[in-house]
Amino acid sequence: KNEVEQSPQNLTAQEGEFITINCSYSVGISALHWLQQHPGGGIVSLFMLSSGKKKHGRLIATINIQEKHSSLHITASHPRDSAVYICAVSGNTPLVFGKGTRLSVIA
Amino acid sequence: DTGVSQDPRHKITKRGQNVTFRCDPISEHNRLYWYRQTLGQGPEFLTYFQNEAQLEKSRLLSDRFSAERPKGSFSTLEIQRTEQGDSAMYLCASSLGGGIAKNIQYFGAGTRLSVL
Repeated sequence: KNEVEQSPQNLTAQEGEFITINCSYSVGISALHWLQQHPGGGIVSLFMLSSGKKKHGRLIATINIQEKHSSLHITASHPRDSAVYICAVSGNTPLVFGKGTRLSVIA
Repeated sequence: DTGVSQDPRHKITKRGQNVTFRCDPISEHNRLYWYRQTLGQGPEFLTYFQNEAQLEKSRLLSDRFSAERPKGSFSTLEIQRTEQGDSAMYLCASSLGGGIAKNIQYFGAGTRLSVL
C-alpha cells in the first residue's frame, strides 16, 4: 500500500465546475504539499500546509491532521487548469509523492 | 532566470552507454534533491544534498547511479551502463532547508531519458 493515496486518478470536468481532489496518507508528516505538473514535466508547488486551510486565487487546500487527509479544491475550473495534480508529504526532508490526479477541464 | 535549471531536457541513448545530467539549483538554496518519475507514476526520491554533503540515498539508487555536488552549488547525476528500465524523467529540486517553512521545494523542468 502506498504511503500517499490520491483519488480520483483521472477526472474530467466541464469548464466552471467545482473540483475536489483528495489525498490520504498513512505516515507521520511535518507538511503536505500540493503540486501541479503540466505536460512536458515541469512541476510547480501550489501549496505547502501543515494545518487548516490555504487559499490562492481559485485554489483552496485543506488538511485534517487527525484524519490524515487533505483536499485540493478548484473553483470555477478552466481549461488551463488541466494538468496532473500531485499530493506529496514530507517528514524531515525527502518528499513522498502520490501518483497524481490527471485533470482535464473541457470548454 | 533564477529558477532551477536542468540540462539536457531530453537525452536519448543506447543501452550500455553512460549518461550525465546536470542541475543548477536556485543560488541561495542549500538543499538539492534528485527524483525519478516514470510514466503514470508520481516522482520517487533518489538522493539529496545539504550543501556538498550527500545525506540520504534511496534504495532505488543502484550502484550504477552516482550523484555529486562538489562545491555545494550545481549537481550532477550519472548513470553508468544504462538499461531500458532507466528510461524516465529525472527531476531536480532545491530548497532553502532549515525548517518546515523553508522546505518548499522548487523543481526544474526535468531531464527525460530514453534508453533504446
